[in-house]
Amino acid sequence: AQSVTQPDIHITVSEGASLELRCNYSYGATPYLFWYVQSPGQGLQLLLKYFSGDTLVQGIKGFEAEFKRSQSSFNLRKPSVHWSDAAEYFCAVGPHQAGTALIFGKGTTLSVSS
Amino acid sequence: EAGVTQFPSHSVIEKGQTVTLRCDPISGHDNLYWYRRVMGKEIKFLLHFVKESKQDESGMPNNRFLAERTGGTYSTLKVQPAELEDSGVYFCASSHGTPPEAFFGQGTRLTVV
Repeated sequence: AQSVTQPDIHITVSEGASLELRCNYSYGATPYLFWYVQSPGQGLQLLLKYFSGDTLVQGIKGFEAEFKRSQSSFNLRKPSVHWSDAAEYFCAVGPHQAGTALIFGKGTTLSVSS
Repeated sequence: EAGVTQFPSHSVIEKGQTVTLRCDPISGHDNLYWYRRVMGKEIKFLLHFVKESKQDESGMPNNRFLAERTGGTYSTLKVQPAELEDSGVYFCASSHGTPPEAFFGQGTRLTVV
């Protein structure tokens, strides 16, 4: 079955520390991969995406993610977390077929301590 | 360019009442999706429109949910009658072309009491 696993429900990181959010997927073929963020009171905002090519992708707000096919993973990283990064983060996968729905993980809530 | 817009942002209704959620996609986006997140669970697909046609409604929970997309523009999702388990955040997204990058609205938080 197709699925996305985000093993960490809640993570707390000190401001200025590095961050890595984990994402593993189970999919029949190479999927498109996405990370979305939802800040309090906001909608889902796309942080970054992987379609093909370079497996290290850069996104907005200083985030990056690396696609590792052998591990079926697409972990999100940021070298130095800011208090404004506190939010809920969702990993999602989708097929290469246009117009097909995404499959989401359950999300990871990030808290940033001062 | 305007993003995906959803109305209302919040709705509190009593069990048995009817609620209609609206989504205005990005202009020109043929694909429109509805998703739902029940508290503590993952965001789950409900249905997909291509223009005004329902392409996939396999995620619709039951026949109390009715979605329409008039003229291939905005879409409505009606819940009638609402039950307690319908509470959650309903997201709308739209996309166009390939690769399929979906743009999401801010969601409608529905609370059924």
